[in-house]
Amino acid sequence: DQQVKQNSPSLSVQEGRISILNCDYTNSMFDYFLWYKKYPAEGPTFLISISSIKDKNEDGRFTVFLNKSAKHLSLHIVPSQPGDSAVYFCAAYSGAGSYQLTFGKGTKLSVIP
Amino acid sequence: DTGVSQDPRHKITKRGQNVTFRCDPISEHNRLYWYRQTLGQGPEFLTYFQNEAQLEKSRLLSDRFSAERPKGSFSTLEIQRTEQGDSAMYLCASSPRDTYTDTQYFGPGTRLTVL
Repeated sequence: DQQVKQNSPSLSVQEGRISILNCDYTNSMFDYFLWYKKYPAEGPTFLISISSIKDKNEDGRFTVFLNKSAKHLSLHIVPSQPGDSAVYFCAAYSGAGSYQLTFGKGTKLSVIP
Repeated sequence: DTGVSQDPRHKITKRGQNVTFRCDPISEHNRLYWYRQTLGQGPEFLTYFQNEAQLEKSRLLSDRFSAERPKGSFSTLEIQRTEQGDSAMYLCASSPRDTYTDTQYFGPGTRLTVL
């Protein structure tokens, strides 16, 4: 039972264009969401997060949008750069005294120069 | 370097052997987490410590797995009688404060291969 779903295993984007990575969740208890980036042979690196009381959070080239009614969030990267090529994971906290993060399977982003 | 460190980075063992991994969290982080990642999957939660207390364990953590965090500093994860299904990347993370929304910072992981 995949509670966090990233339905696109891969995405290719031209350098300078927008990258949009999508994430859906099924657990209505999730109330805080994070995006991590992972390069091969490294651990995940935190990118950006959003609380369920917000619908948008922006940090430089990265913006996360949250649509609670649709249980959907997306990560926008503008402009995309070759160094952004990595696997991106969506993760969520469910609160209720639990400190574990639930991750999606990831989307591999390739930014083509 | 003040990031999370893990040792060893790679471990190859034969089925049935015991293995132990070490994680050193970011200094002064009182929370420490272990995750497992298999090919094509995202990290899956195994267990969580607040200081030296192990407060949460996943059902993935079978009785062959044990984790400790003596004195609330570094942590070890031991797998006894390893099986081929234990082959995975074992990730450690730490976070600084008491609210559950704190960002978890990950180490580079230990890749375990069980032959």
